[in-house]
Amino acid sequence: AQTVTQSQPEMSVQEAETVTLSCTYDTSESDYYLFWYKQPPSRQMILVIRQEAYKQQNATENRFSVNFQKAAKSFSLKISDSQLGDAAMYFCAYRATLSGNTPLVFGKGTRLSVIA
Amino acid sequence: DTEVTQTPKHLVMGMTNKKSLKCEQHMGHRAMYWYKQKAKKPPELMFVYSYEKLSINESVPSRFSPECPNSSLLNLHLHALQPEDSALYLCASNPRSAGGTEAFFGQGTRLTVV
Repeated sequence: AQTVTQSQPEMSVQEAETVTLSCTYDTSESDYYLFWYKQPPSRQMILVIRQEAYKQQNATENRFSVNFQKAAKSFSLKISDSQLGDAAMYFCAYRATLSGNTPLVFGKGTRLSVIA
Repeated sequence: DTEVTQTPKHLVMGMTNKKSLKCEQHMGHRAMYWYKQKAKKPPELMFVYSYEKLSINESVPSRFSPECPNSSLLNLHLHALQPEDSALYLCASNPRSAGGTEAFFGQGTRLTVV
């Protein structure tokens, strides 16, 4: 069974600084997708960034980028120029590249605080 | 329209009540999910519907009864719940064709059982 581990229950960062959230996963599959979701107090799970395992290039979305190390099964999220609105719960998630009804496997989450 | 809409946003119900949660999407997605989320925890999968048929039931108690009347609508019928069932209930959807696409989530229904 696939598992996703986030070893940092809580993190904090100063506004405008950079922070990295860690995620490791375990799978025997060779092809899969990895995601970072953000859940602010408004409760809605919002996709931050997605990485296809077959792509060597790390995904980036504006201030958000990942460091994907497939051999090490590591998928960290870097947030640059942190803003107050980045404060939220961040979940790392895995999905096997199977049929569309394959559910996501979530890590336990990292709560990020941004200090003004 | 790239939204998953859940109603109601908040629900308080007694242990003898019957209520329903509703989830709607008009993106043509053929996979829809119900998740339960306790405070400070990740979402836990409850049910998966694929092409309007129940494909995964994660051993959820029968007091939770899902229904998918059509490709756009997903319901969760609640009956004789317990206080420990109080949680945020999230609905999500995925396109059927591409396994790697992200799930789109609704804002959830905050359920309190008294």
